[in-house]
Amino acid sequence: DAGVIQSPRHEVTEMGQEVTLRCKPISGHDYLFWYRQTMMRGLELLIYFNNNVPIDDSGMPEDRFSAKMPNASFSTLKIQPSEPRDSAVYFCASSGTGDYNEQFFGPGTRLTVL
Amino acid sequence: AQSVAQPEDQVNVAEGNPLTVKCTYSVSGNPYLFWYVQYPNRGLQFLLKYITGDNLVKGSYGFEAEFNKSQTSFHLKKPSALVSDSALYFCAVSPGRYGGSQGNLIFGKGTKLSVKP
Repeated sequence: DAGVIQSPRHEVTEMGQEVTLRCKPISGHDYLFWYRQTMMRGLELLIYFNNNVPIDDSGMPEDRFSAKMPNASFSTLKIQPSEPRDSAVYFCASSGTGDYNEQFFGPGTRLTVL
Repeated sequence: AQSVAQPEDQVNVAEGNPLTVKCTYSVSGNPYLFWYVQYPNRGLQFLLKYITGDNLVKGSYGFEAEFNKSQTSFHLKKPSALVSDSALYFCAVSPGRYGGSQGNLIFGKGTKLSVKP
């Protein structure tokens, strides 16, 4: 398996623009997680899904952030409009029910909002 | 409330010396415990986990961790540190199969390990 795939790897955009981050989890995994990492705040869980259904979105910082999982092999995290304080590395991770909650992380998307 | 603590922001070790990165947890039930490592500009990589059984768990790159239920700790150790071990280390915990975890892990803040030649 190729592991968790994220795209793009780097994104530079201007304040006010819409940003869409993409994730393909490991095949067969039924949990998908979105994290954000910054120097100031460390690793933060934004939202996670189980069987494509959002379970906990309490970490989503504002209404500007939204996440979807239309099927088992694809998820998006959208920021609209983006702001400079959204600049961070965004990680997607997936896990399977039989894996004792062990999560497998993607390489991350480094977002810079100018 | 479920939580995990890594009391040290940074650990400095000389190459060849033993290293310890500390982790304590607070969860209900029997926990599942994990260590992850993050190298610069990379995602988190799994190092090792404790589910049940022997309290000493061996993982990747010569790392091991000891589960101590009475002290609610899961410290990461390595007998002889390498410069290439320098990275950010995260401890994580789940309440376990009957803990209502709903699949999530709770991560610590991370400890930066610096190994000097």
